[in-house]
Amino acid sequence: QSVLTQPPSASGTPGQRVTISCSGSSSNIGSNTVNWYQQLPGTAPKLLIYSNNQRPSGVPDRFSGSKSGTSASLAISGLQSEDEADYYCAAWDDSLNGRWVFGGGTKLTVL
Amino acid sequence: EVQLLESGGGLVQPGGSLRLSCAASGFTFSSYAMSWVRQAPGKGLEWVSAISGSGGSTYYADSVKGRFTISRDNSKNTLYLQMNSLRAEDTAVYYCAKVEYSSSVRSLSRGYFDYWGQGTLVTVSS
Repeated sequence: QSVLTQPPSASGTPGQRVTISCSGSSSNIGSNTVNWYQQLPGTAPKLLIYSNNQRPSGVPDRFSGSKSGTSASLAISGLQSEDEADYYCAAWDDSLNGRWVFGGGTKLTVL
Repeated sequence: EVQLLESGGGLVQPGGSLRLSCAASGFTFSSYAMSWVRQAPGKGLEWVSAISGSGGSTYYADSVKGRFTISRDNSKNTLYLQMNSLRAEDTAVYYCAKVEYSSSVRSLSRGYFDYWGQGTLVTVSS
């Protein structure tokens, strides 16, 4: 059971907009920033969004993040076939002397 | 160009030990906290441990506390993870990751993993 809760799967057709939710609590998302990672099949995770809504250089502006209270969301607009991947949210958790926590991951399928 | 290269994975029997290494290049290693994150086969990401740039502060997930030890040698630009008393549930790909901060206050609560290695597989089985 992951500390952060994500839907296990999401899907969309090319060109559509999809959103992936991430729910936490006051000790993690509620008090710290949220980051998102993309893991393409058979590869290492890659940073997608940091500090709730910031994109590293090289990440297309089709990807955006937001946070409200103890929840966060990742939105992907203009869905492309190469976006098919696993997506993970993560945040620092202030409990238990501090630790990073991840969501269980959402597998995005482009239909 | 930032590069992180893990090594040391392999097959080990339950109760055994293994030491993972992560050779870093392309950045001032001693200025950044580093972390280990693992992924069991077919499962999600799980944070394992982190260490400050100086090595003076360390952090562990409850699942590995008392069994794993994170350390670093800043003269060799290398991160380590000593894993003892290994269990079947420790079987996973272990990634090392560089920690960056989103604010001028370099607090782990504002940290994120901006670069990841390719991972090394640890299999615990008899």
